[in-house]
Amino acid sequence: DSGVTQTPKHLITATGQRVTLRCSPRSGDLSVYWYQQSLDQGLQFLIQYYNGEERAKGNILERFSAQQFPDLHSELNLSSLELGDSALYFCASSRRNTSGSRTGELFFGEGSRLTVL
Amino acid sequence: GNSVTQMEGPVTLSEEAFLTINCTYTATGYPSLFWYVQYPGEGLQLLLKATKADDKGSNKGFEATYRKETTSFHLEKGSVQVSDSAVYFCALSVKGYSTLTFGKGTMLLVSP
Repeated sequence: DSGVTQTPKHLITATGQRVTLRCSPRSGDLSVYWYQQSLDQGLQFLIQYYNGEERAKGNILERFSAQQFPDLHSELNLSSLELGDSALYFCASSRRNTSGSRTGELFFGEGSRLTVL
Repeated sequence: GNSVTQMEGPVTLSEEAFLTINCTYTATGYPSLFWYVQYPGEGLQLLLKATKADDKGSNKGFEATYRKETTSFHLEKGSVQVSDSAVYFCALSVKGYSTLTFGKGTMLLVSP
């Protein structure tokens, strides 16, 4: 158990709809990352938040948005869904080490599997 | 930009066989290198890492050596088990940034 919790585990919806995926990071972790895993694209970085602020952006579509709340949980909002958005969405979290530098180690949740019909 | 290239799978082996999964990278700066493993139905778990050239990461019988001259970080295990069946991801992180760049993953299937 990584300590990162994602809900829901499975979600089936229709094209054009909107969904929200939720992530609770490990206790003490300030950074949250969202990744999309699909068969053809592999693991794609979407976005990172650190202590409530957006820190880095990857291949995130304009139809997608995210935020991190004061209690450090994060939500990924996917709107105007298309068939191609069907994928496994992972949340990961990280902490700073004692020296303050970031080693890049991430702790992943089990993912939310989104199926768009 | 940063990128990771892994050998395509699936890699199919018999139990106790020797495993090598190739990984090469391109990075701006000096990256840290990682291998993550994803067991069926689970999230990714860190398997091992190396943060500078010539470092060897090891865990659970798996090893990988950071080779700066060949920009490689190949994963090896001397004797695989059925329980090692999973997808293995090579990844890098450039110093100062904790966002990981992943390869596409290599599926390993080990039969008894």
